[in-house]
Amino acid sequence: EVVLTQSPATLSLSPGERATLSCRASQSVGRYLAWYQQKPGQAPRLLIYDASNRATGIPARFSGSGSGTDFTLTISSLEPEDIAVYYCQQRSNWPQITFGQGTRLDIK
Amino acid sequence: QVQLVESGGGVVQPGRSLRLSCAASRFTFSSYAMHWVRQAPGRGLEWVAVIASDGRDKHSADSVKGRFTISRDNSKNTVYLQMNSLRTEDTAVYYCARDLHIAAAEYHFDCWGQGTLVTVSS
Repeated sequence: EVVLTQSPATLSLSPGERATLSCRASQSVGRYLAWYQQKPGQAPRLLIYDASNRATGIPARFSGSGSGTDFTLTISSLEPEDIAVYYCQQRSNWPQITFGQGTRLDIK
Repeated sequence: QVQLVESGGGVVQPGRSLRLSCAASRFTFSSYAMHWVRQAPGRGLEWVAVIASDGRDKHSADSVKGRFTISRDNSKNTVYLQMNSLRTEDTAVYYCARDLHIAAAEYHFDCWGQGTLVTVSS
C-alpha cells in the first residue's frame, strides 16, 4: 500500500498570505496525484489532478506541483472561503487507492 | 450541473446487511466509471469500490473485499453498494463519486454526492 503523509497537520495563515501544503508518498506515484478540498459538512471537491492540472472551475490561485514522492499544493493568496481540510490522493497503485490524512487550513 | 444523490443509509446491527443507492443525473451516466468513497466520523477519506462504465469490471478495497459488492443499472442511472456482514468499523458517511475521465476508470473523482451515513451499532 502506498502511504501518503501530509504536512503540516494544521496550518493557520492570514488572508492574502501564501499557503504551501505538502504530500509525501512512501514510494513513487509518478504524477498520479490529486488534491481535494473538503469544507465542514460538505463533500470533497477536486482541485488538482495528475499533480498539476486544475479541475474545471477551480480558481487560478490553486496550483499543484511535484512528481515521484514529493508534491505540493499552493494557494497563492488565501481567501476566507479557503478554510477547509485538504487531502491528497494517489492513483498510481490502482485499484488500491489511498488518501493522505489531511491538512487543516485555518484563516487567522 | 452534475447531480449525485445517495440514499439507503441508516442504523444497522453488526453482521446485518444494507444496500446503498446513488442516483445520477445531468450527465451521460453510462459513459463513466463510478466509485464509492467513505469517511468515518472525524476521520479521513477511504476509497471503497469502483465499477466500470459498462459494469463489467469491478474492484474493491481489501477492507471490504468479500463483504461489499458494487453494481450499476445504466437504464436507471443508478449505482449501488451492497454491504453484507457489516462491522462497527464500517460506520461512515458513504459518498458516491464520478470518475474524472470518460470511459476508462482513472481513479480521480470530479463529482461527489452529499453522502449517506451508515451507523453499525448494536
